[in-house]
Amino acid sequence: AAGVIQSPRHLIKEKRETATLKCYPIPRHDTVYWYQQGPGQDPQFLISFYEKMQSDKGSIPDRFSAQQFSDYHSELNMSSLELGDSALYFCASSGNNEKLFFGSGTQLSVL
Amino acid sequence: SQQGEEDPQALSIQEGENATMNCSYKTSINNLQWYRQNSGRGLVHLILIRSNEREKHSGRLRVTLDTSKKSSSLLITASRAADTASYFCATDAGRIQGAQKLVFGQGTRLTINP
Repeated sequence: AAGVIQSPRHLIKEKRETATLKCYPIPRHDTVYWYQQGPGQDPQFLISFYEKMQSDKGSIPDRFSAQQFSDYHSELNMSSLELGDSALYFCASSGNNEKLFFGSGTQLSVL
Repeated sequence: SQQGEEDPQALSIQEGENATMNCSYKTSINNLQWYRQNSGRGLVHLILIRSNEREKHSGRLRVTLDTSKKSSSLLITASRAADTASYFCATDAGRIQGAQKLVFGQGTRLTINP
């Protein structure tokens, strides 16, 4: 069965650079979520989209933005990267039940 | 304190024993979910319990929910080495413009010793 696909799996950036993370949800899932997880921390909600419209925002810095495209894939854009942005970034999708299906994540390291 | 705090933060037991993890939350919920995460990997949904349910089973998993105490527990029976992972509870307070907002607790790191 198809799962949530995230790319890249690993990303290394320098401070003040920009990063773009991509997420391809499970086909026919109408909702996409982005979470950030620091080392040893719980996943923190960043932002969600339902039917390509932004639904809710969590603790997402103004330097970050996201969108969901017509094919339902989503991108998380991160600018002016800081050392503290180093984390595992997860995308998840859901359909007509309440379960979230997570991708394998993108490990972002800011040097 | 955060929604969905978990207790204990770490648990180490012998294979074959039962493992119990607890989760407390602060606000009203529609449902509570438990997820498992192997180190550095994505979270995997284990079980969902709705606010009007008190207990649910799935294989070796048993979840209870006490909405009066705003708490839930996850019991894994007859543990196996492969159960070694971090376990997170997540509360769902309802949909915001079509999307759920799952708030995760801090997780319990479970180690099963062979």
